Amino acid sequence: AQSVTQLDSHVSVSEGTPVLLRCNYSSSYSPSLFWYVQHPNKGLQLLLKYTSAATLVKGINGFEAEFKKSETSFHLTKPSAHMSDAAEYFCVVGEAAVNKLTFGGGTRVLVKP
Amino acid sequence: ETGVTQSPTHLIKTRGQQVTLRCSSQSGHNTVSWYQQALGQGPQFIFQYYREEENGRGNFPPRFSGLQFPNYSSELNVNALELDDSALYLCASSLQGAGSYEQYFGPGTRLTVT
Repeated sequence: AQSVTQLDSHVSVSEGTPVLLRCNYSSSYSPSLFWYVQHPNKGLQLLLKYTSAATLVKGINGFEAEFKKSETSFHLTKPSAHMSDAAEYFCVVGEAAVNKLTFGGGTRVLVKP
Repeated sequence: ETGVTQSPTHLIKTRGQQVTLRCSSQSGHNTVSWYQQALGQGPQFIFQYYREEENGRGNFPPRFSGLQFPNYSSELNVNALELDDSALYLCASSLQGAGSYEQYFGPGTRLTVT
């Protein structure tokens, strides 16, 4: 069975400072890993994905994530936060057999001016 | 390229009633998955449809059922609504066999059960 743990339910950063969202996963297979973002009253948007290619994955809007198999982690980072980054972020693991996604509990990001 | 669309946007139902939610998949996609997102939580997988058949199911009771049509659109039906069914219901489409398990989500249907 797969599972995802997002280590922080809330993260508060100042505009222009780095953002770090932490995620640990558990999977019986070589995982496919994703980060999705959800802005208020909007659907989920894919930020980036890892599918066993390069361990450092670059996504949209300046986000990137590093897959570390030894630590079973897939942390999301951005060098400089923007006000528009305020949203809920979900770390997600994909299960091959049924193309099923298992979501973490989410991290709400607050960006202070 | 047309994205994933869902209807209706919002819905209010009474406990015990039945509801049908609809989803049109993204152009070129053949698989539809449904998720339930309760307030303050991450989405939970309900089930997936591929080639008009259920292709995997999460931990949801049989009163949650679905259909997929030849044009790959889909419906989610919930019978005997309970207060805990109040949630955002998300539809996601994907291309089976693409290998990346990447799913594209619609904006969701907000269901309130009173």
